[in-house]
Amino acid sequence: GAVVSQHPSRVICKSGTSVKIECRSLDFQATTMFWYRQFPKKSLMLMATSNEGSKATYEQGVEKDKFLINHASLTLSTLTVTSAHPEDSSFYICSARALAGYNEQFFGPGTRLTVL
Amino acid sequence: GQNIDQPTEMTATEGAIVQINCTYQTSGFNGLFWYQQHAGEAPTFLSYNVLDGLEEKGRFSSFLSRSKGYSYLLLKELQMKDSASYLCAVMDSNYQLIWGAGTKLIIKP
Repeated sequence: GAVVSQHPSRVICKSGTSVKIECRSLDFQATTMFWYRQFPKKSLMLMATSNEGSKATYEQGVEKDKFLINHASLTLSTLTVTSAHPEDSSFYICSARALAGYNEQFFGPGTRLTVL
Repeated sequence: GQNIDQPTEMTATEGAIVQINCTYQTSGFNGLFWYQQHAGEAPTFLSYNVLDGLEEKGRFSSFLSRSKGYSYLLLKELQMKDSASYLCAVMDSNYQLIWGAGTKLIIKP
């Protein structure tokens, strides 16, 4: 089946530093990848949608200069949280969709970010 | 606006059956998904309905009525490991997933 990996699974950093999270589709090509954030006991919140080779589409209220997304290849998307602050501490999850029109999204295992 | 409603929490007994309902109002419809999410983990896919009716997959079944904007997830022969949050999500006309807040299912012995 379709497998999506995320790295790192857990990261603790100091306030003001930048953190990069990688999302890879291991056995399929992902034309579209999605980045979600989930706070404790809350639902998934879509942050942005990225299509390979083009700029990401950010949801309302998500700062594109703070959350940099790059989808350079059909198997890799990265999310960089720049100048992280404690309020950015959250569970970040990526998902990937294989083909346009094929609806299922495959989720990565998530990255737990803690900003001190 | 777009809206997905599902109960916040449900409790059921091991071995029993539970039905988790989901109602939705979205701009367009390209299918409804159910995901299971254990605490601290990413969601895992359970089912996908795009046509009306019941889809059965082992102990789990999912039903869809597009005219009513309604779905349910039916879990049979409940096991303790089924304790998790169950997320209902609808794919809208832009192929974006609109997520419900999830239903926390507590299984008691």
